[in-house]
Amino acid sequence: AQSVTQLGSHVSVSEGALVLLRCNYSSSVPPYLFWYVQYPNQGLQLLLKYTTGATLVKGINGFEAEFKKSETSFHLTKPSAHMSDAAEYFCAALNSGYSTLTFGKGTMLLVSP
Amino acid sequence: KAGVTQTPRYLIKTRGQQVTLSCSPISGHRSVSWYQQTPGQGLQFLFEYFSETQRNKGNFPGRFSGRQFSNSRSEMNVSTLELGDSALYLCASSLVAGARNEQFFGPGTRLTVL
Repeated sequence: AQSVTQLGSHVSVSEGALVLLRCNYSSSVPPYLFWYVQYPNQGLQLLLKYTTGATLVKGINGFEAEFKKSETSFHLTKPSAHMSDAAEYFCAALNSGYSTLTFGKGTMLLVSP
Repeated sequence: KAGVTQTPRYLIKTRGQQVTLSCSPISGHRSVSWYQQTPGQGLQFLFEYFSETQRNKGNFPGRFSGRQFSNSRSEMNVSTLELGDSALYLCASSLVAGARNEQFFGPGTRLTVL
């Protein structure tokens, strides 16, 4: 079964600093990978997804992620954090049957002024 | 276009009771999936419905059930509530079935079991 590991339940950055949220998945061929963001008292919003093709994926709000098969990673980055980026971020992967998503435990991003 | 709506937003029940949660997908979306979110277990898939048929089911006891109506609206039911059922229940809709299709999430129903 597919598994997704997010390193760090909380990540703190200063406004304007680089954001790096880590995600590793268990090997699956081929993987479909997603990053979602959840703001307080709201549902999940899709940031970006990797299916096939270009390994650097650009998403909304200035986020991007790079699929690295050799490292089984799909880390999320943003060059400059904004206060409005404070939220919980979830990495997810399709299971081998392509029918359901397996989510990581989530990483809470805290942005300080 | 209106997003996914879930009712009620908050619910308080006692152990042993049953509860029904409702989800209205985005207009034109025919697939509805349900997830349970708890601090300990994170987000876990409950089930997926497409064209009134359950396509997939997660690893939850039979106390958790659902259905989908001809207008794609979906309900999930939890019988004989336990304290551990306290969670945020999220509904997501997509145009067609399968998680490869982008899923749009509702705000969730916060269930508290006392």
